[in-house]
Formats: sequence, structure tokens, C-alpha cells
Amino acid sequence: EVQLVESGGGLVRPGGSLRLSCTGSGFIFSEYSMNWVRQAPGKGLEWVSYVGFDFSLIDYADSVRGRFTIFRDNAQSSLYLQMNSLTDEDTAVYYCVRGNDWAFDNWGQGSLVTVSS
Amino acid sequence: QSALAQPASVSGSRGQSITISCTGTSSDLGSYNRVSWYQQQPGKAPRLMIFEVTKRPSGVSNRFSGSKSGNTASLTISGLQAEDEADYFCCSYAGSRTWVFGGGTKLTVL
Repeated sequence: EVQLVESGGGLVRPGGSLRLSCTGSGFIFSEYSMNWVRQAPGKGLEWVSYVGFDFSLIDYADSVRGRFTIFRDNAQSSLYLQMNSLTDEDTAVYYCVRGNDWAFDNWGQGSLVTVSS
Repeated sequence: QSALAQPASVSGSRGQSITISCTGTSSDLGSYNRVSWYQQQPGKAPRLMIFEVTKRPSGVSNRFSGSKSGNTASLTISGLQAEDEADYFCCSYAGSRTWVFGGGTKLTVL
């Protein structure tokens, strides 16, 4: 069974930083692209960032480019999202999501990030 | 990266069929047959229901079907059941390893 488990969420002040982690199991992590998708409270889904299976391709939504960094450690089956210069607009549940056939086929349970003073 | 347009809500009676539309642009939905649909129950993570416009992952009921014409994709749910009540989001590949979601549609089963 595919499992994705996020951690690292919490309360952070505006302008602060936070790093999210995600550990995958039940599949060969190094063979899949991975993504972060977020959902602000009561709002829709927003794709945040992509990393290819071999790090060769990375991209970000315009809303986070230059502030967020995605990276992965295939040896540890782990995905990360380093978030800097956080604003209240970054408050959301952040999902670690596996990419497959140009879609998102497995989702973690989500990690809540709250940016507030 | 503007969100795809979905109706805020749709409703239907048990046993009936409903269709949710999703409208994008020629730069995203109109350019790629890489549209997917997600079901989200309250308090849960989204679940993939349709990928590549028309394909269903294993385990998804054949009551769910997808289509696309031009810049608009559609999700049809036939034989509505109470457990279909949820939020539904469309998503399209937008090129250069980026994706755009719709704003979501709340389905109410009467």
C-alpha cells in the first residue's frame, strides 16, 4: 500500500521559515516524480511545486517561486519543501503528492502550516 | 497560472446523473489531454478519480467518466449515490511541469 506521511507543519510568524518533510513507503520512491499541493482553509487546491524522479526537472508556482525550495532524498524515500519569507497567504494544509501519468495519484494526509503573528 | 473555472455547486437526486464542467484556456486545458479530476470528502485528502481526460484508476467506479472538448473538460457521475457527495476539483497540466487546478465544485446529493 502506498503511503505518504508529511511532517514539519506548525505555527510560524510572518517572514519566518519552515521545512516540511514527507516520507514515502509502499512503492519505489526513486521512480516517481513528487509534488507539493496546498489548500488554504476553506479554499481550493493549488499546485505548489514539482520535482522529477531524478532531480532533473524542478518547477514552482509563481506564488512561491524564489521563496520555496523543493528537494528530495531518494535514498531516504523523502521529499522536502523549504519555505522562506512566509506570509499569511501561505497558510494552508500542504499535501505531499505522488505524480503519475500527468496526474496526482497518491496523497498524504496533509500538514497544516499557519502563518500568523 | 489562473485557476480553471468550475461551478461552485451542483446538485442531483439519487440515481440521476450530473455533469461538472471545467473551463481553461488554450495554454493549459486546451493544449493537453492531461486533465484529471479529484474527489475530496470533508476533512480528507483528495482522491484521484479520472486522469488523462477519460481514464479511471483501478478501484474507481465506472459511474465516473470524463470528457473534453476544446478548452472545457467535464466530469459526469451517473447513478448518483449518497457517498458521491463531496467537493470535486479538476486539474490540467499547463506545460513546463506546472499544473493548474479548478476552484472546486460542491456536489450535493438530494
